[in-house]
Amino acid sequence: SQQGEEDPQALSIQEGENATMNCSYKTSINNLQWYRQNSGRGLVHLILIRSNEREKHSGRLRVTLDTSKKSSSLLITASRAADTASYFCATDAGNTGFQKLVFGTGTRLLVSP
Amino acid sequence: GAGVSQSPRYKVAKRGQDVALRCDPISGHVSLFWYQQALGQGPEFLTYFQNEAQLDKSGLPSDRFFAERPEGSVSTLKIQRTQQEDSAVYLCASSPLTVDTQYFGPGTRLTVL
Repeated sequence: SQQGEEDPQALSIQEGENATMNCSYKTSINNLQWYRQNSGRGLVHLILIRSNEREKHSGRLRVTLDTSKKSSSLLITASRAADTASYFCATDAGNTGFQKLVFGTGTRLLVSP
Repeated sequence: GAGVSQSPRYKVAKRGQDVALRCDPISGHVSLFWYQQALGQGPEFLTYFQNEAQLDKSGLPSDRFFAERPEGSVSTLKIQRTQQEDSAVYLCASSPLTVDTQYFGPGTRLTVL
């Protein structure tokens, strides 16, 4: 079963606008990761934030983590048509000795030129 | 270098047939994961290998699913007596160590008629 949910399920914006996606999860985590999946392709790792971090940046991406609310957000600034994809959060709950990822349900982002 | 590759990319099987899905991880990667992704959902963990040892198979849906990695590199996911609910994209991922970023292959889309 999925760890949590992402919100919104779908998001449609114009190029240049910012896109914000939210992820909620259920259990304590070691870290939370965001992945992108283009249509018909595999997942690409975007960014990882550890449970003791609150915010992280990578290029046009900004991720926040609120462990008290068990939630995270992904902000993509100055979006481009190439950002069109599905975005998934994934949590690593730990205690297994390896990264046993549990993915959310995903947000489908459409960026129009 | 080459990424994770999977074959075939598409497989159509009649209900009751056996199928075998192959994953070629990135050379030297210790960890190998299999995930199942139903349409419109996030990936769900199936099984994990560390070298040739299958350390976690808790996500395998039934005893019709079997995975192996006999020499610690290439892995095969086998599904016996396929059923319609097995239709999904099967993703393989590898990582250098046990807690590193996972690199995903393009997946095999299995359709059971």
